[in-house]
Amino acid sequence: NAGVTQTPKFQVLKTGQSMTLQCAQDMNHEYMSWYRQDPGMGLRLIHYSVGAGITDQGEVPNGYNVSRSTTEDFPLRLLSAAPSQTSVYFCASSYGQGLAEAFFGQGTRLTVV
Amino acid sequence: GQQLNQSPQSMFIQEGEDVSMNCTSSSIFNTWLWYKQDPGEGPVLLIALYKAGELTSNGRLTAQFGITRKDSFLNISASIPSDVGIYFCAGQLRSGANSKLTFGKGITLSVRP
Repeated sequence: NAGVTQTPKFQVLKTGQSMTLQCAQDMNHEYMSWYRQDPGMGLRLIHYSVGAGITDQGEVPNGYNVSRSTTEDFPLRLLSAAPSQTSVYFCASSYGQGLAEAFFGQGTRLTVV
Repeated sequence: GQQLNQSPQSMFIQEGEDVSMNCTSSSIFNTWLWYKQDPGEGPVLLIALYKAGELTSNGRLTAQFGITRKDSFLNISASIPSDVGIYFCAGQLRSGANSKLTFGKGITLSVRP
């Protein structure tokens, strides 16, 4: 099983550029979420979804958009990249227990210059 | 908002030693989880706890859900080099579908051979 797949693994953007981080899961999980990980900050929730067509904001949503048109996919869009968005981004999916017992992807390391 | 406290930020132990990590919160949680992150990878769930006072083992790992519901600990016995990584605690306060996870900042564990 592929589990949670994130693409790309690495990305460099210029300030002001936009891009989409892709996330797909093949476990038929209802719950999906995006986190960012910064040194000494742990994992902070950006956006999450409890099912297709339903999304909500997490702790640090500004500058990011999400949509959930299918159960499998949960892309994260950066509208106008800023250096403060340099981070490692993780997508996660889970079943039955809300966002708990989450399976994480391998991450996307994003650098904004 | 809710915060989870993990300290110290780093721990250094000798191979074969036991190590215990604590996680405390000013808020009550109904679910406590422990994750481990290897370098360059996403976090992986180690243990999930759903009931105050619960003690759960997974191989050399043992975790407990504090009876006040404001803390949890993780114990690793007879440490080995592959225990190296970042250990995160996470708490969830379920409220219907909006059951977000709050993560601690993580403890980086180093094991000297």
